[in-house]
Amino acid sequence: QKEVEQNSGPLSVPEGAIASLNCTYSDRGSQSFFWYRQYSGKSPELIMSIYSNGDKEDGRFTAQLNKASQYVSLLIRDSQPSDSATYLCAGMSGTYKYIFGTGTRLKVLA
Amino acid sequence: EAQVTQNPRYLITVTGKKLTVTCSQNMNHEYMSWYRQDPGLGLRQIYYSMNVEVTDKGDVPEGYKVSRKEKRNFPLILESPSPNQTSLYFCASSSSGWSNQPQHFGDGTRLSIL
Repeated sequence: QKEVEQNSGPLSVPEGAIASLNCTYSDRGSQSFFWYRQYSGKSPELIMSIYSNGDKEDGRFTAQLNKASQYVSLLIRDSQPSDSATYLCAGMSGTYKYIFGTGTRLKVLA
Repeated sequence: EAQVTQNPRYLITVTGKKLTVTCSQNMNHEYMSWYRQDPGLGLRQIYYSMNVEVTDKGDVPEGYKVSRKEKRNFPLILESPSPNQTSLYFCASSSSGWSNQPQHFGDGTRLSIL
């Protein structure tokens, strides 16, 4: 069974700090990874996508991919209370099939 | 406005009464997919469609049917709903499953089967 694993949290960080969210995956054939943010009762919205080893930055967000270690992470700099949500990591396993982790709940404390 | 539209948003029904959840996208996307989301289990893929008339099972297809007669529509059918299908359902679409494009999600349908 191909899996994407995340710590469910909650991860609590003070406002202005860096939040670090992590994800591991079991399918070495996975090529693409996505981070989605989901507020309670709402639909997931895309934060970042990453396809190559290394870092990818977009504003306050940095995604990191290490295919050798089968590890994906999301860093949120200068965390704000509005960043409080559940963050879903997803991998694309083969073609067409997306595997989601169970999500990490982030709480940013004002 | 680019969007994925699901209907209904909320539904309470009884065991065995057939129901359909509609999903429509206006982005001319080839790929569409249905997920269910349950506490502690995350998002699980039910069915997906690569294009018109091409569908395949996801991880939890039992008890569900889909069809893709038109590119924009991808309805989810529960022929004989049971209480274990009580869940939050999301439809999603992307331009292509091959090109690793992220998915756009609908607002969700909360189903309660009594």
